Amino acid sequence: GAVVSQHPSRVICKSGTSVKIECRSLDFQATTMFWYRQFPKQSLMLMATSNEGSKATYEQGVEKDKFLINHASLTLSTLTVTSAHPEDSSFYICSARSWETQYFGPGTRLLVL
Amino acid sequence: GEDVEQSLFLSVREGDSSVINCTYTDSSSTYLYWYKQEPGAGLQLLTYIFSNMDMKQDQRLTVLLNKKDKHLSLRIADTQTGDSAIYFCAESPSYGGSQGNLIFGKGTKLSVKP
Repeated sequence: GAVVSQHPSRVICKSGTSVKIECRSLDFQATTMFWYRQFPKQSLMLMATSNEGSKATYEQGVEKDKFLINHASLTLSTLTVTSAHPEDSSFYICSARSWETQYFGPGTRLLVL
Repeated sequence: GEDVEQSLFLSVREGDSSVINCTYTDSSSTYLYWYKQEPGAGLQLLTYIFSNMDMKQDQRLTVLLNKKDKHLSLRIADTQTGDSAIYFCAESPSYGGSQGNLIFGKGTKLSVKP
């Protein structure tokens, strides 16, 4: 149990386009999901906390107009990187909270050309 | 502030035990976690321990918690080449009243030599 999926697993896009990443909890409901960003050989940086039915809470330094988060149901949160630029290239990982534990998705590798 | 520290590298021989150490600063943490990340993949929850426990064992994994020293360790018995990965220690500063966000260490890269 406690499986979290992400789609797509890998995406390449042109600079200036927008990219949507989906995070789904497959066998449990999650009122809270988290979005992280991970640079090569570094730890995870929390970007935002996504709450079902309400606005996301963004960490300091994360632009909410650039990284749009929608948590429309108890099993789905989406992260849209708007007007992507090469510096947005990274590994994006989501997690879903179930009681005292967070379960992580497999990550999405974004490359902006 | 909240901070989690880990050594960056550990190298062991196959069959030996591995011990990965972690220190944290937030004494209010209710849960402490160990996650494993293989190259290009997400994080896999290995185990976690409630702060009122000293030890938790799960098959080859043993977690020791010294709350007084804010020190957490993960011991992997009979380490295999498949255990090669990055291991992240994480604390949850509180539960219930907060969002349940995690504070991660930088990760310890475990290399297992045949």
